[in-house]
Amino acid sequence: QKEVEQNSGPLSVPEGAIASLNCTYSDRGSQSFFWYRQYSGKSPELIMSIYSNGDKEDGRFTAQLNKASQYVSLLIRDSQPSDSATYLCAVNATNAGKSTFGDGTTLTVKP
Amino acid sequence: DAGVIQSPRHEVTEMGQEVTLRCKPISGHDYLFWYRQTMMRGLELLIYFNNNVPIDDSGMPEDRFSAKMPNASFSTLKIQPSEPRDSAVYFCASSFQQHLGRRYNEQFFGPGTRLTVL
Repeated sequence: QKEVEQNSGPLSVPEGAIASLNCTYSDRGSQSFFWYRQYSGKSPELIMSIYSNGDKEDGRFTAQLNKASQYVSLLIRDSQPSDSATYLCAVNATNAGKSTFGDGTTLTVKP
Repeated sequence: DAGVIQSPRHEVTEMGQEVTLRCKPISGHDYLFWYRQTMMRGLELLIYFNNNVPIDDSGMPEDRFSAKMPNASFSTLKIQPSEPRDSAVYFCASSFQQHLGRRYNEQFFGPGTRLTVL
């Protein structure tokens, strides 16, 4: 079992729809959770971080964390073609400086 | 802030040559990470430093790879000798772990170095 698992994708949604990206992790001691967006040919860019159970909203993005289920998700409302990218989930274990990354889910938003 | 700076952005070399990749982290960050990304293997952590000290180099593929961080504002990743299978995009990232008692670990990536070994 991988430490951080994401839907293999690709995920395709129509413009204006809600895109839902999911991630599960194996280390129950994990404390910090991140979503990075990576456009083709570019470097990963942090878009959301979440540290406690519940929802965290930032514009059209909502991160959801459920530590009991070891599950973190990213919702993108009113999806735009410019949201088309690979989304990487990353998790930090307790006292760990490094993040463990999932393999990423590629999202395509069709006009 | 200029963000994480990497050089060169592109490097084309021949098998057997030495390659040196450079990174300047964001000022004030205490962690520095070197990653390699390929289509086949995804994003792989090679090595990371905390306060200029290497913490975990278990991701370094073999002895041909070495990394140094002589001070808080500079790090190098060296491949000697280079091989075609080393062709990849190499990213440097930096983060700070704690601020005012809270843990962050948010990583900021440089633009990457695209390495091609012929």
